[in-house]
Amino acid sequence: QSALTQPASVSGSPGQSITISCTGTSSDVGGYNYVSWYQQHPGKAPKLMIYVVNNRPSGISNRFSGSKSGNTASLTIAGLQAEDEADYYCSSYTTSRTWVFGGGTKLTVL
Amino acid sequence: QITLKESGPTLVKPTQTLTLTCTFSGFSLSTGGVGVTWIRQPPGKALEWLALIYWDDDKRYSPSLKSRLTITKDTSKNQVVLTMTNMDPVDTGTYFCAHSTSGVGEFDPWGQGTLVTVSS
Repeated sequence: QSALTQPASVSGSPGQSITISCTGTSSDVGGYNYVSWYQQHPGKAPKLMIYVVNNRPSGISNRFSGSKSGNTASLTIAGLQAEDEADYYCSSYTTSRTWVFGGGTKLTVL
Repeated sequence: QITLKESGPTLVKPTQTLTLTCTFSGFSLSTGGVGVTWIRQPPGKALEWLALIYWDDDKRYSPSLKSRLTITKDTSKNQVVLTMTNMDPVDTGTYFCAHSTSGVGEFDPWGQGTLVTVSS
């Protein structure tokens, strides 16, 4: 299975909104709603931000939202804040009954 | 509160077998729907999913690494063990374990990770 495709980097100014895409195939993103998003700050473990496409765990700001259309899932962060600067990874369940991650996106808050 | 912690060697030699242990608390692997997964991250690179074991001993492996991986659980000790054979320098990285829920497919929370270096 190939890694899901994410842009290597995105950037935005404080207060702006950004969207990170995650493109797979009908065998993963397009075939299941088990798409999750993770935030990772340098030297830290990843943290779940979104699960099952558009669900936020308890304690996650409503500035974070997820969506999916066809084989592409998206993470949108509204009202960018300095602490949002991190790496973001998507993951999806696959037809092989396994999981696959995206290549990661580095978010820079200008 | 769910917590997980990885343990194992920090340095292994090429061709050796790596054995990592994930010790957890706050949940039981005998509870329906519960799973524990392993994920790794080479320095400066992306996350890579490795393996997952469910409460009913259902085991899943990364297709590209399946021949080298074995995941087992010890419910009485609240531990999950991952073994990876024939280690190579490209296997150097931080190895994480995480809690998962069947039917949701999320990994939450994660352990702090343990750095494994493969070098002679």
